[in-house]
Amino acid sequence: GDSVTQMEGPVTLSEEAFLTINCTYTATGYPSLFWYVQYPGEGLQLLLKATKADDKGSNKGFEATYRKETTSFHLEKGSVQVSDSAVYFCAPIIGAGKLIFGQGTELSVKP
Amino acid sequence: GAGVSQSPSNKVTEKGKDVELRCDPISGHTALYWYRQSLGQGLEFLIYFQGNSAPDKSGLPSDRFSAERTGGSVSTLTIQRTQQEDSAVYLCASSFSRGEAYNEQFFGPGTRLTVL
Repeated sequence: GDSVTQMEGPVTLSEEAFLTINCTYTATGYPSLFWYVQYPGEGLQLLLKATKADDKGSNKGFEATYRKETTSFHLEKGSVQVSDSAVYFCAPIIGAGKLIFGQGTELSVKP
Repeated sequence: GAGVSQSPSNKVTEKGKDVELRCDPISGHTALYWYRQSLGQGLEFLIYFQGNSAPDKSGLPSDRFSAERTGGSVSTLTIQRTQQEDSAVYLCASSFSRGEAYNEQFFGPGTRLTVL
């Protein structure tokens, strides 16, 4: 069945460090791909998306590239900030709108 | 503008009782989704509605769970004879349409359900 595997957390980094959170998925066809973020005490919000192979989604300094050949959508940021501390979810969208979420990766950035 | 709202924000109930959770989607959004976030299962899809089409109920974990959407707007998720394993945060989301798979889903703040 459709599934997502994310890098396990928690991930603890110092401010200005480079971030990678790995995400691979198993799904029928070529789904659109999303990263959602959940800041402490807040609801889920869309961080970025990519809708076809080789597309790069970007927002707030985060980037992820849709890699069809490896069915991956790894999240990267060149220099993290304390305010990036949150839980990050990778999610392909299946069929006409069902998001399939990974288990989430908690990121903690220390000053 | 107003986002997705959910009520109540917290609900504590006793095992065996029925509960109703409410979702008000963003005005004009035709698609509405329910998800559940729990420690053991992560974030999982429950059900979605699009206009007058039959809902996709494929994610409902048992027949104790049901949902309806009245007038294409407000939705209610009902859990009958609650069990402790139903304890979770129930999230509602809405989007413009079902037809385009890359439409962003906007999430509400969730209802935290605790079954004692």
